[in-house]
Amino acid sequence: NAGVMQNPRHLVRRRGQEARLRCSPMKGHSHVYWYRQLPEEGLKFMVYLQKENIIDESGMPKERFSAEFPKEGPSILRIQQVVRGDSAAYFCASSSRGPRRGGELFFGEGSRLTVL
Amino acid sequence: AQSVTQLDSQVPVFEEAPVELRCNYSSSVSVYLFWYVQYPNQGLQLLLKYLSGSTLVESINGFEAEFNKSQTSFHLRKPSVHISDTAEYFCAVHPYTDKLIFGTGTRLQVFP
Repeated sequence: NAGVMQNPRHLVRRRGQEARLRCSPMKGHSHVYWYRQLPEEGLKFMVYLQKENIIDESGMPKERFSAEFPKEGPSILRIQQVVRGDSAAYFCASSSRGPRRGGELFFGEGSRLTVL
Repeated sequence: AQSVTQLDSQVPVFEEAPVELRCNYSSSVSVYLFWYVQYPNQGLQLLLKYLSGSTLVESINGFEAEFNKSQTSFHLRKPSVHISDTAEYFCAVHPYTDKLIFGTGTRLQVFP
């Protein structure tokens, strides 16, 4: 059973370009979370999605960032017009149960975005 | 609001010595508690978790953590560390109705 798959593992963008990060959850998991890890900091929650729905986006910056989890295909975290401060590791996690039922989160290996 | 505090950003220790990584949390609701480990350039792996029942939980590689409700703590311990335990350790709380909230991490460095 494959784990959470994230790609690309490393992404380099110039300021102003767009970054798209993909996450395929574990088989049978319908809950997806995105976290951002800045250097020397812990993981900060960004967004929680179920299939075709955004459940909690309280950690998403108000501009330039968006996320989706379509009925078919991976979850996508999209960052438009990237700036240097967006350089970070972005982790996706999936779960078979929602938070109310204590669903364990399984993490991918992350996508490391570098903005030049 | 919930929060997690990991008091030590770095913990250096010699091989075969005991270690304790401290974690305190704040929450107005009941929570699940977790420890995750992150090896260099990798994702997070679940080390152990407390959901309910016995307050002492153990992992398969010798780590244990004890949930102390009165002190709102969930410290991680190992009686004898190995070089291979060198990694970043994250404490996290999962309020029953919300997302996983992480501490800032503790970097455990084991020296020979």
